Amino acid sequence: GQQVMQIPQYQHVQEGEDFTTYCNSSTTLSNIQWYKQRPGGHPVFLIQLVKSGEVKKQKRLTFQFGEAKKNSSLHITATQTTDVGTYFCAAGDGSARQLTFGSGTQLTVLP
Amino acid sequence: GAVVSQHPSRVICKSGTSVKIECRSLDFQATTMFWYRQFPKQSLMLMATSNEGSKATYEQGVEKDKFLINHASLTLSTLTVTSAHPEDSSFYICSVPGQGAYEQYFGPGTRLTVT
Repeated sequence: GQQVMQIPQYQHVQEGEDFTTYCNSSTTLSNIQWYKQRPGGHPVFLIQLVKSGEVKKQKRLTFQFGEAKKNSSLHITATQTTDVGTYFCAAGDGSARQLTFGSGTQLTVLP
Repeated sequence: GAVVSQHPSRVICKSGTSVKIECRSLDFQATTMFWYRQFPKQSLMLMATSNEGSKATYEQGVEKDKFLINHASLTLSTLTVTSAHPEDSSFYICSVPGQGAYEQYFGPGTRLTVT
């Protein structure tokens, strides 16, 4: 099956600093999705990327899908304390709609 | 997006007993639902795909006789952990595919503690 590596595992930033998490796969991905899980909560869908080289923005969040569709990144500009949580990438397998989750990056934002 | 509920949100049971967890899609019908397990500080691992009106599909390493899945209607899937042991203690989360191409919507999760 698909395997998705995600780094870093943990990231502590000062409020106002930027943050980036990366996902890599050894195989070409059909699509990649990003989810956010707050402490004690459940994953919440953020975005999906399907096209090679795709870039999508949601306010301070920028999502990229690599040209080869093997890697993806999530960048947060000027972090806020509300950004705290674990960010997961998840590779979809297309037709079966199953997801393979990356290991997640736990973001801590220090006020 | 889809609204998904899970019940109970938290359960503590004794070793050897069985626990049933319900997952409901509240605002649309779902022929497929997914069950995940998440241990503390770890990622979500897909356990099985629940299919309405037919048998669930289990991932490799997941015992189908231990984790019984029933998807009897288009809005309800249940996961029963049979003869639970302390190592089954985990966060169990279900998800429902969205109406779009790929996204999934997760229930709030059930935290199971087996003593």
